[in-house]
Amino acid sequence: EPEVTQTPSHQVTQMGQEVILRCVPISNHLYFYWYRQILGQKVEFLVSFYNNEISEKSEIFDDQFSVERPDGSNFTLKIRSTKLEDSAMYFCASRDDQQGHLDTQYFGPGTRLTVL
Amino acid sequence: RKEVEQDPGPFNVPEGATVAFNCTYSNSASQSFFWYRQDCRKEPKLLMSVYSSGNEDGRFTAQLNRASQYISLLIRDSKLSDSATYLCVVINPGFKTIFGAGTRLFVKA
Repeated sequence: EPEVTQTPSHQVTQMGQEVILRCVPISNHLYFYWYRQILGQKVEFLVSFYNNEISEKSEIFDDQFSVERPDGSNFTLKIRSTKLEDSAMYFCASRDDQQGHLDTQYFGPGTRLTVL
Repeated sequence: RKEVEQDPGPFNVPEGATVAFNCTYSNSASQSFFWYRQDCRKEPKLLMSVYSSGNEDGRFTAQLNRASQYISLLIRDSKLSDSATYLCVVINPGFKTIFGAGTRLFVKA
């Protein structure tokens, strides 16, 4: 069964450093998402991406964040200058466009980001 | 009012019990609804979509009441493996996805 993959599984970085989290969505999917989950808290939507541009973003997704689809397979989330409060699990998700808003989002296993 | 609200639990039930979870949402224009389950430190995984007519998948039944902006999940004959956090997920216009904080379920032998 196709699945969303994410690398690395765990990233440790110093405050102020840039990090890039990588995702490979399911191959025929057209919509891509990033979410974060701070330990013990709920999953929070960050951004959705379609047709090589951001389609929706939350208040969390400020100028420190950017997303890119650099080639036909990867989908990346960059955090320019990490803060302690960016420590969280970051999930990538993708879906196809067979049924519009009824389509299921499939989640990757996540990258645990620890900012020291 | 929170966009998606769930009873956090935890629900502690014996094997074989029936348990029901509720979820309310605030945006009357919300378009679609799902239940996901999340195991500790793992990714959310789809349990089932929720349709206005109600739907059933084995031991799981989901209901949607658009008038009351209320979603439910019923688990019959609980198994130990059902222990997890159950997430109510709502898709708003513009495909913005809102997660509830989740309801924790512990099924005991």
